[in-house]
Amino acid sequence: EAQVTQNPRYLITVTGKKLTVTCSQNMNHEYMSWYRQDPGLGLRQIYYSMNVEVTDKGDVPEGYKVSRKEKRNFPLILESPSPNQTSLYFCASSPTRSSGNTIYFGEGSWLTVV
Amino acid sequence: AQKITQTQPGMFVQEKEAVTLDCTYDTSDPSYGLFWYKQPSSGEMIFLIYQGSYDQQNATEGRYSLNFQKARKSANLVISASQLGDSAMYFCAMGSPGTASKLTFGTGTRLQVTL
Repeated sequence: EAQVTQNPRYLITVTGKKLTVTCSQNMNHEYMSWYRQDPGLGLRQIYYSMNVEVTDKGDVPEGYKVSRKEKRNFPLILESPSPNQTSLYFCASSPTRSSGNTIYFGEGSWLTVV
Repeated sequence: AQKITQTQPGMFVQEKEAVTLDCTYDTSDPSYGLFWYKQPSSGEMIFLIYQGSYDQQNATEGRYSLNFQKARKSANLVISASQLGDSAMYFCAMGSPGTASKLTFGTGTRLQVTL
């Protein structure tokens, strides 16, 4: 079954404690990205990756890091989380040239920073 | 830059009635794709329907149809025969097919279906 898997799904953490949200896809997609969703703002792209070792900033990259060492994995790293990073996070993957229903989203990760 | 505007923060519709959720967009790209996603309270993003900018006909998927008016830059979602399970947040999004698969989202419309 084609899927994008995120972990953890739910996390409450404290300010400054480094955390990693993992994302893995089993479709051999080149393109992967991270979004955050906040009330009244919709989803905004944080970082994306066109392929292994190729990453770039999205619209709201501050406070986040990513890496793409393997094609299937694209972890999101919060080196020093702050309360304004409390959000719902989505990982997505797709072929580089995509249309229609070829963009797959993970189930989301609810992150609370206190 | 691409922009999506959803002007209806919330909508109510009676069960079995049809409802239209508005979406307007702005882009300078000649080729683009328009998406609608449903997000129930559990949080996952569920793909509903897609319209390519060069598609001649409006997209339909079951009870969902996309009213695409290119000249007006609008891509409204029409849900026919609403069901209680349609109560959710709905997002309109735009992407650029053929390049990177970045989606630009609107702020969403929360639909409540009533008895």
